[in-house]
Amino acid sequence: ILNVEQSPQSLHVQEGDSTNFTCSFPSSNFYALHWYRWETAKSPEALFVMTLNGDEKKKGRISATLNTKEGYSYLYIKGSQPEDSATYLCAIISSGSARQLTFGSGTQLTVLP
Amino acid sequence: DAGVTQSPTHLIKTRGQHVTLRCSPISGHKSVSWYQQVLGQGPQFIFQYYEKEERGRGNFPDRFSARQFPNYSSELNVNALLLGDSALYLCASSFRVLGPYEQYFGPGTRLTVT
Repeated sequence: ILNVEQSPQSLHVQEGDSTNFTCSFPSSNFYALHWYRWETAKSPEALFVMTLNGDEKKKGRISATLNTKEGYSYLYIKGSQPEDSATYLCAIISSGSARQLTFGSGTQLTVLP
Repeated sequence: DAGVTQSPTHLIKTRGQHVTLRCSPISGHKSVSWYQQVLGQGPQFIFQYYEKEERGRGNFPDRFSARQFPNYSSELNVNALLLGDSALYLCASSFRVLGPYEQYFGPGTRLTVT
């Protein structure tokens, strides 16, 4: 059973602040990492899928990096806005024929106006 | 285009009963995965089906089963319901088997077992 850890568990920031979260995972047998944003009363929304060590992806004010050798990924939000308030989930897929997505418990972000 | 749809939205069942949850993937997606989410935790993987074959199974008891139909829709069945099965059940579809492809989630089915 994979252990995917996310930190911090929750975070409050002021509008305009930049922030980042961490996702840690076992580096052995890594295949892919997914980041999702989950707003209250909505479905989880895919942000990024990352597979290669050193990958950096960006979507608007949100970006992510991946280090598969040391087993971590960072998600950055630049200039946080109230609409960024959500739970951010990372999930790992290990290599092998039986694929399953193992989620962390998420980081709950609240952006205060 | 329609997104992933799930039915029903909410469901209340009694301990010991059986439940069937349904999921229709995005058109063109051949993979469907099922997840259980309880408050305060990330979603827990239950099953993945791709091209009507089971391609992954999480650590859930045999009371949980699923299948995928020729039109790629899917059903999740839970027998002998326990109070602990109360959760949000999410379905997600992707173009191919889990990996480097984005998953698209449905709105979920909220199951309450009394």
